[in-house]
Amino acid sequence: DIQMTQSPSSLSASVGDRVTITCRASQSISSYLNWYQQKPGRAPKVLIYAASNLQSAVPSRFSGSGSGTDFTLTISSLQPEDFATYYCQQSYSTPRTFGQGTKVEIK
Amino acid sequence: EVQLVESGGGLVLPGRSLRLSCAASGFTFDDYAMHWVRQAPGKGLEWVSGISWNSGDIGYADSVKGRFTISRDNAKNSLYLQMNSLRPEDTALYYCTKEAAVITTYFDCWGQGTLVTVSS
Repeated sequence: DIQMTQSPSSLSASVGDRVTITCRASQSISSYLNWYQQKPGRAPKVLIYAASNLQSAVPSRFSGSGSGTDFTLTISSLQPEDFATYYCQQSYSTPRTFGQGTKVEIK
Repeated sequence: EVQLVESGGGLVLPGRSLRLSCAASGFTFDDYAMHWVRQAPGKGLEWVSGISWNSGDIGYADSVKGRFTISRDNAKNSLYLQMNSLRPEDTALYYCTKEAAVITTYFDCWGQGTLVTVSS
């Protein structure tokens, strides 16, 4: 199985900050990497698919990059509604593994 | 509007069975693969199982293989998860998800989840 490791596990940031979350795969997954956002008590929603493609209706302050084993989710200017937990997920092979999550909290 | 509505969760004794259902609407159900993803209380997301549009391709997480069975009824726009030999570690919120296939596959729509609690 492919293991997905996110860093950091949590971070504190202020509104307006640039935030970067990293996801590393245990083997190459090309660009088969997706990012999800989950707010407390809510179902996750997809932000980025295939490493760098913005899902419809997702604000452009979110962006993704990377290929192979190393990937990044960037929020260019953190907004109040962005405080949430973020997960990466590989779609290269079954089982479709998720990272452990990164919780973005208010500083 | 795409909607996924899960049902069938509840409190169950260890070793017993439960069947989850997911009613889909707002899209052509038999065009899409579907999946179950779960989340234990306070924990992260775990993919459980997936099924192709025609049930020809099915996969399971190692943690549930041999105990859980995924199925679908395209005539009823419904997805199911039969869970046998339940364990306390199966306690989680179970989400039904729809798979999009654009460049890669990803879960573009999620239900609100149904809670399964395995406890004596």
